[in-house]
Amino acid sequence: QTVVTQEPSFSVSPGGTVTLTCGLNSGSVSTTFYPSWYQQTPGQAPRTLIYSTDSRSSGVPDRFSGSILGNKAALTITGAQADDESHYYCVLYMGSGISVFGGGTKLTVL
Amino acid sequence: EVQLVQSGAEVKKPGESLKISCKGSGYSFPSYWIGWVRQMPGKGLEWMGLIYPGDTDARYSPSFQGQVTISADKSISTAYLQWGSLKASDTAIYYCARRSGYYHYDYWGQGTLVTVSS
Repeated sequence: QTVVTQEPSFSVSPGGTVTLTCGLNSGSVSTTFYPSWYQQTPGQAPRTLIYSTDSRSSGVPDRFSGSILGNKAALTITGAQADDESHYYCVLYMGSGISVFGGGTKLTVL
Repeated sequence: EVQLVQSGAEVKKPGESLKISCKGSGYSFPSYWIGWVRQMPGKGLEWMGLIYPGDTDARYSPSFQGQVTISADKSISTAYLQWGSLKASDTAIYYCARRSGYYHYDYWGQGTLVTVSS
């Protein structure tokens, strides 16, 4: 069974930089998985941040960026702000219409 | 403006059936896949499956295959998620989302809370 892995939690200081990652229990993540990233605050629907590895969704600040780092997809927040404190989820496309969410990372800004 | 509007919260008993909906507007509904995502209380997002309203081709996560049915009626721009026999473990918020190019979900419904309790 495919498992998409993310750090359960992470913390960053205001103004700092943090990189969240998205991996696979077996194998490497590449651009062919079209990794996308979503932000969810409590009580809200998810918001799309990044798609196709490194493309920012409309209206997303440029402090959010996506990439492949080693064998994982990565979401980097540069100059973290208090309202970046959220849950972040990656999604990988597995082919045949199937996608899989990672378990999510709870980001604390303090 | 693209919008996905979901049906309202439901409270059901175990064993009952349920069909929730997701109505799209502001775009060509038949031409975009619609996905469904589950979020159990205090937990993460889980991809359940999706459907192409143009031809009703549906795909399911192995975890949800046989547990739910995804359907759509393009004449009224609405997608559906249904259960034949609910369990307490189906208690969750269910989101629909439009899948855009590059296999990502660009617009999301507001979510439907389903509570299953005796």
